[in-house]
This record gives sequence, C-alpha cells and structure tokens, in this order.
Amino acid sequence: KNQVEQSPQSLIILEGKNCTLQCNYTVSPFSNLRWYKQDTGRGPVSLTIMTFSENTKSNGRYTATLDADTKQSSLHITASQLSDSASYICVVSAQDYKLSFGAGTTVTVRA
Amino acid sequence: NAGVTQTPKFRVLKTGQSMTLLCAQDMNHEYMYWYRQDPGMGLRLIHYSVGEGTTAKGEVPDGYNVSRLKKQNFLLGLESAAPSQTSVYFCATIDRGLPTYEQYFGPGTRLTVT
Repeated sequence: KNQVEQSPQSLIILEGKNCTLQCNYTVSPFSNLRWYKQDTGRGPVSLTIMTFSENTKSNGRYTATLDADTKQSSLHITASQLSDSASYICVVSAQDYKLSFGAGTTVTVRA
Repeated sequence: NAGVTQTPKFRVLKTGQSMTLLCAQDMNHEYMYWYRQDPGMGLRLIHYSVGEGTTAKGEVPDGYNVSRLKKQNFLLGLESAAPSQTSVYFCATIDRGLPTYEQYFGPGTRLTVT
C-alpha cells in the first residue's frame, strides 16, 4: 500500500527562525512529490513539485529537497513569518494520476 | 477565473438525510476528484473522474455516489448521511497539460452529521 509519513506532527517556532519538515514515502512507481500549504479553513495550495530527477526546488523562503533513492523529502522554511502558520502536506504521486497524502505537519509561528 | 468552487461551504445534516455537494471548475480540466479530510489523517480519495460521463471509485467510496454529466461539474451525493461522514470535503482538479499535472483544490465544504 502506498504510504506517506510526515514528521513531526506539529511544531512551534519563533518568528524569524528556520525549521525543517520531513516526509518519507513508499509510493511506487513514483512520478512526483509535492508540498502543499493549507491555511486553516482553506484548501491546500501547491508550494513545490519535484520529479524524480530533481533533488531541490525553492519557492521564496520554502526549499524542498528530494532523495528518490531513500524515498525521503524535506521542506525547509527560512526566516519564518507569522503567515507561515499552517499545515504543510507532503503528497506523492504515482504514475496513474493518483495521489497519496501525508497527514501533515502543523506549524505555529509565534511572535 | 474562479478556479475551483464548492457549494455549499457549510452544512449540518441529520442522520439519514441526503444531500449533494457541487464542485465547479472553469479551467477546462479533465480530471476531477473528491476527497475527505479528517483530523490526524491525510486527505482520502472518495471518487474521481477522468472525463465527462466517467467516474471511478477511490479509497473510501462507500456511502457516496458521484456524477459528471458536464465537464465543468462534479457532484458528490450522500444518500443516507451517517455521523461517520462528518468531515471536510475537498474537490480538486488536475491540469494534465503540465508535465507535473498541477492539482488545484476548492475551498472545502464542512459537513456535520448529527
């Protein structure tokens, strides 16, 4: 069964600090890996999408990495802002347009 | 462009009642999906459609039915609501025109079954 595991479940950081979220997956055959940001009461919004051949991708202060050999990904948030408080979801896509979702990491940024 | 819209935003049902959730998109995407999101769990696929007139079961289809009579609309029906169907429902579409087929989500429908 395709699975996506995220850690930690939640974290609290001070404004201006950095943090890293982890994602491990067992999806096969792998097509791409996405990170989404979901604000409370809203639908998920895409941050990055990486294919098998990409090992890093940035979107502003968000940087995602992918190690397809170990089936691990991370999302690094630099110089966090209050608006970064959200749930971050790792999503892995198989080659049949079906997506497997992690449970998410809830990030709380405090002033 | 409105993107992906969902109607209604909130609903409270009593056990045994029925209702239909509407998802509409104006991006001409072929693929449409219905997910449910529950606390502590990832989004789970209920049903999906790869084109007008076609539907398929996802991971948790029991208790739900769907229809895709028009390309731009994907309807999710609950025939006899149960408390276990209390959840937030998201519709999503996929743009197959992109190599990484970007997925776009609606704002969600929060359903409570009492």
